[in-house]
Amino acid sequence: DQQVKQNSPSLSVQEGRISILNCDYTNSMFDYFLWYKKYPAEGPTFLISISSIKDKNEDGRFTVFLNKSAKHLSLHIVPSQPGDSAVYFCAASRRVNAGGTSYGKLTFGQGTILTVHP
Amino acid sequence: KAGVTQTPRYLIKTRGQQVTLSCSPISGHRSVSWYQQTPGQGLQFLFEYFSETQRNKGNFPGRFSGRQFSNSRSEMNVSTLELGDSALYLCASSLGGPGASVHFGPGTRLTVL
Repeated sequence: DQQVKQNSPSLSVQEGRISILNCDYTNSMFDYFLWYKKYPAEGPTFLISISSIKDKNEDGRFTVFLNKSAKHLSLHIVPSQPGDSAVYFCAASRRVNAGGTSYGKLTFGQGTILTVHP
Repeated sequence: KAGVTQTPRYLIKTRGQQVTLSCSPISGHRSVSWYQQTPGQGLQFLFEYFSETQRNKGNFPGRFSGRQFSNSRSEMNVSTLELGDSALYLCASSLGGPGASVHFGPGTRLTVL
């Protein structure tokens, strides 16, 4: 049962344009969401996060949108740069401590390979 | 501030052996969690430690174990290695409270022959 899904295995974008990466989740108990960027053989690099009490969070070129009713989040990168080319993972967690729930436990999607062409 | 460090970065073992991986979290972070990444299964949660106590455990066999020391450093042990244990093992740390971001180390690439 995959609770976090990234349905697009890959995305190709021209430099300077917007990249939109999507993520869907099924567990309504998730209340904190994160996006990571990853290169092969390296650890994921934290990009941006959002709490379920918000619907948008922005940090520089990165904006995350959360639609709780649709159980959907997206990461917008504007403008896209060739250095953004990597695998992007969304992750979800439950922050409410209910009988041992862990703040550190993240459930990841399968990732989307982003390629930004010069 | 130094990031999460993991040692060793690369490891080659044979089936049946055991292995211990080490992780030093970001200074001040009390939560350390471990993940396994494989091409087929993606990033899978192994377990999390907070203040030397295991807070949560993923769906992995008992051959996978871990511990955390009083200085928050953590070790992960895999006994009786199998070929399928070949993976990138990632350690992550966080402050451990609500809304805390989780930061990953570079990983240990384990190859089981």
